[in-house]
Amino acid sequence: EDKVVQSPLSLVVHEGDTVTLNCSYEVTNFRSLLWYKQEKKAPTFLFMLTSSGIEKKSGRLSSILDKKELFSILNITATQTGDSAVYLCAVLLFYQGAQKLVFGQGTRLTINP
Amino acid sequence: DGGITQSPKYLFRKEGQNVTLSCEQNLNHDAMYWYRQDPGQGLRLIYYSQIVNDFQKGDIAEGYSVSREKKESFPLTVTSAQKNPTAFYLCASSNGQARDWRGYTFGSGTRLTVV
Repeated sequence: EDKVVQSPLSLVVHEGDTVTLNCSYEVTNFRSLLWYKQEKKAPTFLFMLTSSGIEKKSGRLSSILDKKELFSILNITATQTGDSAVYLCAVLLFYQGAQKLVFGQGTRLTINP
Repeated sequence: DGGITQSPKYLFRKEGQNVTLSCEQNLNHDAMYWYRQDPGQGLRLIYYSQIVNDFQKGDIAEGYSVSREKKESFPLTVTSAQKNPTAFYLCASSNGQARDWRGYTFGSGTRLTVV
């Protein structure tokens, strides 16, 4: 069974702190790993990682994938209250000729001023 | 602007009733997906469709049904056989062949509550 596990499930920090969110996976036919941010309703795309060891960066957010150890981390530095959201990790795989995203449980991040 | 529209945003259903959630996209995407989101459980795949007139069960298809008669539309029916239908439902679409593919495009969701 394909499985994606995120940790922690919930995290509360103060504005300005740095946070690291974790995502591990056990899947067949791995293609890529994606991170999404979900504030109220529709998840919005953050990163897609396909190759090991190559950091993707966007402003204060960065992410890296380790395909040998089967995990990824999402770092957020100098956190702001606007970073409060649920962060979803998802693995793209091919299943019976179709493309499919398998999601983790999400990490609920709360940034206190 | 292209996007996915889900309606209604909020839906209340009495036990034993079937309800249909609408999902329409004007992105010309071939693939469409329905996910269910419960607190602490992330998104779980209900059904997906790669082309018109074809769809497959996801991980939690029991108690749900779909149709894909048009490329733009992928409605989800929650039947009375679904034992715990209260949840947030997300529709998504994808053009997996795009060179700059950035994952699925999601709708804004429908929150279904059984009363």
